[in-house]
Amino acid sequence: NAGVMQNPRHLVRRRGQEARLRCSPMKGHSHVYWYRQLPEEGLKFMVYLQKENIIDESGMPKERFSAEFPKEGPSILRIQQVVRGDSAAYFCASSPAGGTGELFFGEGSRLTVL
Amino acid sequence: GESVGLHLPTLSVQEGDNSIINCAYSNSASDYFIWYKQESGKGPQFIIDIRSNMDKRQGQRVTVLLNKTVKHLSLQIAATQPGDSAVYFCAEGNNDYKLSFGAGTTVTVRA
Repeated sequence: NAGVMQNPRHLVRRRGQEARLRCSPMKGHSHVYWYRQLPEEGLKFMVYLQKENIIDESGMPKERFSAEFPKEGPSILRIQQVVRGDSAAYFCASSPAGGTGELFFGEGSRLTVL
Repeated sequence: GESVGLHLPTLSVQEGDNSIINCAYSNSASDYFIWYKQESGKGPQFIIDIRSNMDKRQGQRVTVLLNKTVKHLSLQIAATQPGDSAVYFCAEGNNDYKLSFGAGTTVTVRA
């Protein structure tokens, strides 16, 4: 019973380092979404990907952030030169098809930038 | 700007009572609304959704009401149980992935 799997669950980085967060969607799902949750706030949409394609990245910061969902392997959210403001929980969700209803969320990756 | 917000940040309810969580939204173009439950340290869990062509939808122990006239959404939980303690988020969108989430209401169930 594999749901959306995210790793690492917790990641600590110093300012200026890179953070890589991984997401494996549910079996049979080919659509992946990344959301960010700051403390005491709701989730904010970042990016929507299908295999090898970025469909909508309107929520991604213009610099330092990138996402990919290769043909093989998990989706990766990459944050370069992290700053303290990047500290947040990053949630991945998947769905069997795009724009058709329920998103299934993972447990999240909690990034702390020192 | 457009926003999704909750009327109250916290709700304390006696076990066995009914809970009502409210949510206001301001984007009249939104046509899809969802309630999620998030327990501490976990990801959001889907509870129930409703589309703008409906005003009520029922699930197991939960009911979502949508009032488009006043842009108001509510979640009713019947016979609240200790396991219902969590943060509840309403979310809106006009496609199903680009959801805007409110800040959340923390529900605490008293034994």
